Amino acid sequence: DAGVTQSPTHLIKTRGQHVTLRCSPISGHKSVSWYQQVLGQGPQFIFQYYEKEERGRGNFPDRFSARQFPNYSSELNVNALLLGDSALYLCASTPLRGANVLTFGAGSRLTVL
Amino acid sequence: SQQGEEDPQALSIQEGENATMNCSYKTSINNLQWYRQNSGRGLVHLILIRSNEREKHSGRLRVTLDTSKKSSSLLITASRAADTASYFCATEYGNKLVFGAGTILRVKS
Repeated sequence: DAGVTQSPTHLIKTRGQHVTLRCSPISGHKSVSWYQQVLGQGPQFIFQYYEKEERGRGNFPDRFSARQFPNYSSELNVNALLLGDSALYLCASTPLRGANVLTFGAGSRLTVL
Repeated sequence: SQQGEEDPQALSIQEGENATMNCSYKTSINNLQWYRQNSGRGLVHLILIRSNEREKHSGRLRVTLDTSKKSSSLLITASRAADTASYFCATEYGNKLVFGAGTILRVKS
């Protein structure tokens, strides 16, 4: 079985632009979570989606949004990019609602210039 | 602020030695997890210890949990160069995991 897949792996944007990051969970996993990891820090929770509904949101501004599709894949959108949005964005899936044990993708590294 | 805090921030040892990393957290937990991250890529789950467990083993990994002190430790025995990575503890808080800042482990061959 394929693991959690994320795309793109790397991208460079300029301030003010928007970005869409994509994630495909492990087959059978209905819950997808997004985390932001700034260099030198641990991952910070952004969103969790379960059965296509938002089940949790971290302390991030409204510029961050996400959605989950009927096939359980997910997109994370960030508008009006700031330099501080430069980070590794990690997607994780789990078969259950809630945190439990997460299986992470390799991440999308975003650089904002 | 993050729930868990790891200590030390960085650790450098020789191959074959044991590595011990510590984690402290702030609120009551149901379980505590440890994850590993190689070179800024995705995290890999290592082990989960429940609040009613005091010690758990998995291969060369040994995790302890002291709920009275709100702390956990991860011991890697007989370390290998391939163990070089960042290690994070994580606690559940609602529908999310809260991670500490991590310990960077370097194993020299």
